[in-house]
Amino acid sequence: AQTVTQSQPEMSVQEAETVTLSCTYDTSESDYYLFWYKQPPSRQMILVIRQEAYKQQNATENRFSVNFQKAAKSFSLKISDSQLGDAAMYFCAYRSAGDKLTFGTGTRLAVRP
Amino acid sequence: DVKVTQSSRYLVKRTGEKVFLECVQDMDHENMFWYRQDPGLGLRLIYFSYDVKMKEKGDIPEGYSVSREKKERFSLILESASTNQTSMYLCASTLQGAHQPQHFGDGTRLSIL
Repeated sequence: AQTVTQSQPEMSVQEAETVTLSCTYDTSESDYYLFWYKQPPSRQMILVIRQEAYKQQNATENRFSVNFQKAAKSFSLKISDSQLGDAAMYFCAYRSAGDKLTFGTGTRLAVRP
Repeated sequence: DVKVTQSSRYLVKRTGEKVFLECVQDMDHENMFWYRQDPGLGLRLIYFSYDVKMKEKGDIPEGYSVSREKKERFSLILESASTNQTSMYLCASTLQGAHQPQHFGDGTRLSIL
C-alpha cells in the first residue's frame, strides 16, 4: 500500500516570511498525482496545489509552490510571504490511477503576527 | 462552486444507537467518500462509492455501512455506535479521474457517550 509521511506535526512561521512543509511518499507506480490540502480551523478542507508526476516542472499557485523530487519521492510545499490566513492544518496526499487518495498525518502551521 | 453539505456540524449520540450521517453534493460528481479524521492519524477512508448503489470498503470499514440511493447523496451509518467512533467525519466528492481534486464538506464532529 502507498504511504505518505509528513514528519513535521507542527510548524511556525513569522508573518511575511517563507516556510516549507515536508512530505515524502512511497510508491512503485510511475504515474500518479500529488496534492496539498489546507484545512483552516473549523473550516472546510480545500485544495492548495496539485502536481502530476509526469511533469518535471514544479507546480505553483500564487504564493504556494512545490518542490517535487520524483527520484527522492519528496513533495514539499513552500509558502512565500506568509499571511495570518495561512494558519491551518496542511495535508499532503497521493493518488495513482485506479487507487484511492492516501493522506499524510498533517502539519499544523501557525503564523506569528 | 462545488458544494458538499453534511447534515450536522456537531452530533452527540449514545453507545448502541444507530447513527446516520448524511452528505449531499450539488455538482453531479460520480465519486463520493467518507473519511474519519483523528489527531495524529490524518484522514482514513471508511467507504467510497463510484456510482449509485455501488459501494467499496476503504481502510477502516468495520462498524460502518453506507448507502447511495441517489447520485447526489451518500450516507454513512454507524450500526451500533461505540465510544471509539467518536471522531470528525468528512465527506468528499469528485469527478472521475485520479487527477481530480476532492471537494470536502465542513465535517461532522460526532461524540459517542
